[in-house]
Amino acid sequence: AQSVSQHNHHVILSEAASLELGCNYSYGGTVNLFWYVQYPGQHLQLLLKYFSGDPLVKGIKGFEAEFIKSKFSFNLRKPSVQWSDTAEYFCAVNADYGGATNKLIFGTGTLLAVQP
Amino acid sequence: KAGVTQTPRYLIKTRGQQVTLSCSPISGHRSVSWYQQTPGQGLQFLFEYFSETQRNKGNFPGRFSGRQFSNSRSEMNVSTLELGDSALYLCASSLGLAGKNEQFFGPGTRLTVL
Repeated sequence: AQSVSQHNHHVILSEAASLELGCNYSYGGTVNLFWYVQYPGQHLQLLLKYFSGDPLVKGIKGFEAEFIKSKFSFNLRKPSVQWSDTAEYFCAVNADYGGATNKLIFGTGTLLAVQP
Repeated sequence: KAGVTQTPRYLIKTRGQQVTLSCSPISGHRSVSWYQQTPGQGLQFLFEYFSETQRNKGNFPGRFSGRQFSNSRSEMNVSTLELGDSALYLCASSLGLAGKNEQFFGPGTRLTVL
C-alpha cells in the first residue's frame, strides 16, 4: 500500500533559522507531490506542488521543495523562518493513474513552532 | 470567490446515532473529496465524487457513505456512530479529477461522539 512518511513530528526553531522537513513516500509509479500547511485556526492550504520538470519547485511564502526520485523524497525547505511560519505541515502524494483520481495520501504532519 | 463551506461546523452525537455532513464546493468545481482527520491516524481519504458518481473510496466501513448532487454539493453520512468516529471531517473541492489539480479544503466539521 502507498504510504507517506514525515520524519519530524515536532520541530522548534528560532526566527531566521533554516528549515528542512523530510518527506518520503512509497510508490513506484508516477506521482504528484504536494506540501500543505495548516496555520492555527485556519484551513489546510497548498504551499507548493510538483508534477514534472524541474525537481526544485518554489511555493508561497519563500518555501521550496526538492523532488529526488531515486530517494522517493520530497523535502520542504525555507532558508529563514519567521514566527508566522508556526503551523502544521503535511506532505501528500497523489498516485497518478492517468489522472483518474484526486486521492491524496498524507503524511502524519510536522508541527513547527518558531520562537521569536 | 467563496471558498469551500462545510456545515455544520460542530456536532455532538451519541453512539448508535447517525449523522449527515454537508459540503459546498467552490463555484465551478465538480470534484469533491472527503477526508477524516484524527490525532492518531492523521488525514485519511474517505471518498471522492465527480459528476454525481463516487469515483474512489478509502478503506472505511460501509457505515460511511456519501453522495453528490447535480450542483456538485456533497453530503457524507455516518450511520451507527462509534466513539472512534470522533474526528474532524474535511471536504476538498477541485475543478476535475486530474491528480494535478489543486484541492481546496474547507474548515471541516468537528464531530464528537459520546
